[in-house]
Amino acid sequence: EIVMTQSPATLSVSPGERATLSCRASQSVSSHLAWYQQKPGQAPRLLIHSASTRATGIPARFSGSGSGTDFTLTITSLQSEDFAVYFCQQYNNWPPITFGPGTKVEMK
Amino acid sequence: EVQLVESGGGLVQPGESLRLSCVASGFTFSRFWMSWVRQSPGKGLEWLGNINQDGSEKYFVDSVKGRFTISRDNAKDSLYLQMHSLRADDTGVYYCARDLQNWVVTFDTWGQGAQVTVSS
Repeated sequence: EIVMTQSPATLSVSPGERATLSCRASQSVSSHLAWYQQKPGQAPRLLIHSASTRATGIPARFSGSGSGTDFTLTITSLQSEDFAVYFCQQYNNWPPITFGPGTKVEMK
Repeated sequence: EVQLVESGGGLVQPGESLRLSCVASGFTFSRFWMSWVRQSPGKGLEWLGNINQDGSEKYFVDSVKGRFTISRDNAKDSLYLQMHSLRADDTGVYYCARDLQNWVVTFDTWGQGAQVTVSS
C-alpha cells in the first residue's frame, strides 16, 4: 500500500498571500495524484488530477506540480473561500486508493 | 446538475448489517465506474472499493474485504454498499463518488455523505 503524507498539518496564511502545500508518496505514483478541498460539513471537491490538471470549474489560482513522490499544491492570492482542508490522493497503484491526512489552511 | 444522493445511514450495533444506497442524476450513470469512500476522525479519508460499469469488476480495500460488497442497478441509476459484521471502527461518514474515467480512480463528483454509527 502506498502511504501518503502531507505537510504542514496546518498552514496559517493571510488573505491575498500564497499558500504552498506538500504531499509525498512512499513510492512513485508517476503523475497519478489528485488534490481535493474540503470545507466543514461538505464532501471533498476535486481540484487537481494528473498532478497538474485543474478539474472543471476550478479557478486558475489553484495549481499543482510534481511527479514521482513529491507534489505541491499552490494557491496564489488566497481568497476567503479557500480556507479549508486539502487532501492529496494517489491512484497509480491500486487497490487500494490512498489519501493523505490533510493540510488545514487557516486564516492568519 | 450532476448529483449523487446517499441514504440508509444510521445507528447500528456491532455485528449488525446495513445497506447504503446512492442515487445518481444528471449524467449517464451506466457509463461510469463508481466508488465508496468513508471518512472518520481516526482514519481520515479511506477508499472502500469500486465497481465497473456493468458490475462485473469490483475492488476493495483489505479492511472491508469479505464484509462489504458493492453492487449497482443501472436501470435505477443506483449504487449500493452492503455492510456486514459492522465494528465500531466502521463508524464514519460514507460517500459515494464517481470515478473520473475508466481506471482513473479519482473522484469528480461526491454525494453529501451518510453517517453510519456502530455502537452498543
